[in-house]
Amino acid sequence: RKEVEQDPGPFNVPEGATVAFNCTYSNSASQSFFWYRQDCRKEPKLLMSVYSSGNEDGRFTAQLNRASQYISLLIRDSKLSDSATYLCVVNRRSQGNLIFGKGTKLSVKP
Amino acid sequence: DAGVIQSPRHEVTEMGQEVTLRCKLISGHNSLFWYRQTMMRGLELLIYFNNNVPIDDSGMPEDRFSAKMPNASFSTLKIQPSEPRDSAVYFCAISRGSSGNTIYFGEGSWLTVV
Repeated sequence: RKEVEQDPGPFNVPEGATVAFNCTYSNSASQSFFWYRQDCRKEPKLLMSVYSSGNEDGRFTAQLNRASQYISLLIRDSKLSDSATYLCVVNRRSQGNLIFGKGTKLSVKP
Repeated sequence: DAGVIQSPRHEVTEMGQEVTLRCKLISGHNSLFWYRQTMMRGLELLIYFNNNVPIDDSGMPEDRFSAKMPNASFSTLKIQPSEPRDSAVYFCAISRGSSGNTIYFGEGSWLTVV
């Protein structure tokens, strides 16, 4: 089983739609979780951290389910500018060793 | 701005040639990472350093790859000899300060080996 698994998509949605991505991880000892965003031919950039209680940043909501070992990202009222690949990221037990999923591609259409 | 400057940004080289990728840091950091990204395998951690010391190089594909961090503001990733399957984007990244595990990427070096 891969350490971090994501549906590669693509998710094609109209502007204004709500879209959700899930990610599963295999290491139950993982402590830190993130969502990164990567635009075409650019470097990954931190979108948001994921906290145990769930957290929200504007139109973006991240949730963590430790029992089932999955992380979710919800995007409300999607914009054209949200089109990108979203990477699920989990740490390994050792400090600083982050493992990236292959990403879920989102395309928001007019 | 991650404060990470990578060079070269793009390189095309012939199989068998030595390739050196560079990473210059212009701000403080806790750890430095080298990642490789391909369509097939996604982002893979190659090696990371804490305080200029290599901590985990288990991701380095084979002996053709080597990485150094001679000081706190500079690191290199060398491939010798290069092979077509090394074609990928190579990212240097750092973690810093109170952000703990959060890492920040440079813009990447796009390598094509023909």
